[in-house]
Amino acid sequence: DQQVKQNSPSLSVQEGRISILNCDYTNSMFDYFLWYKKYPAEGPTFLISISSIKDKNEDGRFTVFLNKSAKHLSLHIVPSQPGDSAVYFCAAILTGANNLFFGTGTRLTVIP
Amino acid sequence: DADVTQTPRNRITKTGKRIMLECSQTKGHDRMYWYRQDPGLGLRLIYYSFDVKDINKGEISDGYSVSRQAQAKFSLSLESAIPNQTALYFCATSDSRQGIVRGYTFGSGTRLTVV
Repeated sequence: DQQVKQNSPSLSVQEGRISILNCDYTNSMFDYFLWYKKYPAEGPTFLISISSIKDKNEDGRFTVFLNKSAKHLSLHIVPSQPGDSAVYFCAAILTGANNLFFGTGTRLTVIP
Repeated sequence: DADVTQTPRNRITKTGKRIMLECSQTKGHDRMYWYRQDPGLGLRLIYYSFDVKDINKGEISDGYSVSRQAQAKFSLSLESAIPNQTALYFCATSDSRQGIVRGYTFGSGTRLTVV
């Protein structure tokens, strides 16, 4: 049973516009959420994280929003750049647990 | 050199063969993990190790075994490969002293095909 879900397998955005990637989860006990970015033929690389006690975390062009009541998080990329084209995975973890639960990924294409 | 190195990068093997995937890291992290990625399923944990003497099963460990030869080395074995083990395999590391804030560091992956 998928505890972390990314319902959009793909997203296309024009360069310079905002990209919004969404993620839903089912386990209300998750207390940390992460986003990873993956290019072809490379492993996932850490992008940004957020604790469950926060509702927003920002790092440059990347902002993650967390809505605990809706069990929903989103990653905003502003402005989007062609180099942002990749597969984005959201992941969640319980502190003290031993497993990152990953979503199925969203392929972002930024069109020049 | 990559912080987390996986060998081989690609491998085709026959059903029933034993195969080993290797992972080594230079990050000095104490924790190591093996994940597999399948289309439409994201990444799923196979095994993890919190130190050399600590090995634990993940959510999909059946058909796999692991060995933590040293803090820096963690290998994954398929004792008798079957076609549904065709997947992209990732090794990852983390530092228990840093917590989860920075997530895991992943290798570049091994693409395994079982024919």
